[in-house]
Amino acid sequence: DAGVTQSPTHLIKTRGQHVTLRCSPISGHKSVSWYQQVLGQGPQFIFQYYEKEERGRGNFPDRFSARQFPNYSSELNVNALLLGDSALYLCASSLARGEQYFGPGTRLTVT
Amino acid sequence: KQEVTQIPAALSVPEGENLVLNCSFTDSAIYNLQWFRQDPGKGLTSLLLIQSSQREQTSGRLNASLDKSSGRSTLYIAASQPGDSATYLCAVEGTGANNLFFGTGTRLTVIP
Repeated sequence: DAGVTQSPTHLIKTRGQHVTLRCSPISGHKSVSWYQQVLGQGPQFIFQYYEKEERGRGNFPDRFSARQFPNYSSELNVNALLLGDSALYLCASSLARGEQYFGPGTRLTVT
Repeated sequence: KQEVTQIPAALSVPEGENLVLNCSFTDSAIYNLQWFRQDPGKGLTSLLLIQSSQREQTSGRLNASLDKSSGRSTLYIAASQPGDSATYLCAVEGTGANNLFFGTGTRLTVIP
């Protein structure tokens, strides 16, 4: 059974551009969460979606947005990219609550 | 706001040694606690999950304990191997929203 998948694996963008990251949860999981991990730090919570509704939002600016589709996959969008947005973006899926399973991440580099 | 701390930040041990990683959290109102492993530049692999009502969980050479009242958890690794070299992250889920609060991790190196 496939785990959490994320695309793309790596991405290089220029300051001011926009980026879309994608995540497919484990089959049967209806909750998707997004985290940002900068080098040397633990992941920081960005968003959680459950049944296509936003259930939680971390302390990130409005440049960050997300949505969940009817098949429970999710997109994370970041507008007006800054150098500080360079990080590993992780997606996690779970049942309503409980153990969270992480994907391999998308490495975003902003130049 | 929940704060999670992991000590030590880095640890280097010879192969075969038993070791303990520590995690502390400031708010004892947690739903569960998870330990993860992360290899450089990779995603997180779940190792153990302890529900708030449990005291410990075991998987192979790994044993995690939870003392919710004192805000502490430990991850015990028996008979360490070079393949155990990675960063180990502790994360707690609150009783409200189910996002995880992470520590900054312990970077473990097991020397052959």
